[in-house]
Amino acid sequence: LAKTTQPISMDSYEGQEVNITCSHNNIATNDYITWYQQFPSQGPRFIIQGYKTKVTNEVASLFIPADRKSSTLSLPRVSLSDTAVYYCLVGDTGFQKLVFGTGTRLLVSP
Amino acid sequence: GEEVAQTPKHLVRGEGQKAKLYCAPIKGHSYVFWYQQVLKNEFKFLISFQNENVFDETGMPKERFSAKCLPNSPCSLEIQATKLEDSAVYFCASSQNSLPYEQYFGPGTRLTVT
Repeated sequence: LAKTTQPISMDSYEGQEVNITCSHNNIATNDYITWYQQFPSQGPRFIIQGYKTKVTNEVASLFIPADRKSSTLSLPRVSLSDTAVYYCLVGDTGFQKLVFGTGTRLLVSP
Repeated sequence: GEEVAQTPKHLVRGEGQKAKLYCAPIKGHSYVFWYQQVLKNEFKFLISFQNENVFDETGMPKERFSAKCLPNSPCSLEIQATKLEDSAVYFCASSQNSLPYEQYFGPGTRLTVT
């Protein structure tokens, strides 16, 4: 399973756009890039997934360059409730165990 | 159901006592996973099931940990003789095979061993 590297923590203010970049140099051809969000005292929550180029949903956007060795999760206009830990993972099947790294702790301040 | 349910929410055991945790996966999901989160961000995979069959048990400390997923019953994770280092939040997740790397997590059970 490909290993991912992401910043340990990031700080932002309400209303700003936050971009969290993840490095996955050894990503395999069949791997998807998946981001999870974990609030304190809750289980991780799937937020977005992509294979290449750009994916957007109601929560976030995911940008993946052509070489797929990195990806960027973009959170538009963050609010205090976006304070959480964000995990970047790579893998290809629903029956495969998830391998979490340390994640990025995002703190949004007023 | 549409959410993964875990019980109990909190469990306190003295060292050496047994602990049993339960998980009801989302209806229709054929895979169930157990993870242990010890430090705030650190996840450890324990075991997964495909329906009632063990699929991957590479993370299980087999001496004291066991798990089951029986038909028409919640899945369970049991620790026979708890140790202080078993204190953690235990998450259950479920998925469908057709979804690449997408799992749905329950709220977790916080186990405290004193």
